[in-house]
Amino acid sequence: DQQVKQNSPSLSVQEGRISILNCDYTNSMFDYFLWYKKYPAEGPTFLISISSIKDKNEDGRFTVFLNKSAKHLSLHIVPSQPGDSAVYFCAASANYGGSQGNLIFGKGTKLSVKP
Amino acid sequence: SQTIHQWPATLVQPVGSPLSLECTVEGTSNPNLYWYRQAAGRGLQLLFYSVGIGQISSEVPQNLSASRPQDRQFILSSKKLLLSDSGFYLCAWSVSKNIQYFGAGTRLSVL
Repeated sequence: DQQVKQNSPSLSVQEGRISILNCDYTNSMFDYFLWYKKYPAEGPTFLISISSIKDKNEDGRFTVFLNKSAKHLSLHIVPSQPGDSAVYFCAASANYGGSQGNLIFGKGTKLSVKP
Repeated sequence: SQTIHQWPATLVQPVGSPLSLECTVEGTSNPNLYWYRQAAGRGLQLLFYSVGIGQISSEVPQNLSASRPQDRQFILSSKKLLLSDSGFYLCAWSVSKNIQYFGAGTRLSVL
């Protein structure tokens, strides 16, 4: 039972355009969401996060949007650059009560930004 | 600043051989430590996590075990590797319940 879903395994975007990566979740107890970027043969690098009390968080070219009613979040990269080509993982955690708050990851979306 | 070291970067082992992967964290005290596996074409699967020395929680039944002999050291082991143990193993640390920081990973090939 996948609690965090990234339904697009791949995405191709032209350099300079917007990249939109999507993520859906099923567990309504999730209250913190993260995006990681991963190059081949390297560990994931933390990109940006958002708490469930917000609906938008921005950091430079990266913006994450959260729609709690739809249980959906997205990562926008504007403008996209060839160096953004990587696999992007969405992750979520639940921090209620005695929960350990471990991260649940999606399967990732491979972004290719073409020059 | 905090750093995480994970080694070796690549490892080729025969079926039935033992395994020991080590991870150490510098620049922080009492971190939460994690072992993940990424199988080909799959997401990141949490294998073990530890909130302190000697405290290990297992997320999935498997052929692997973990130990935390020191505050900033996390070891992933197996007595006898299986073909299905092949994958990309990642160690991570955190000091909160949310953001985790990953090592460079170990590519394990069991032949």
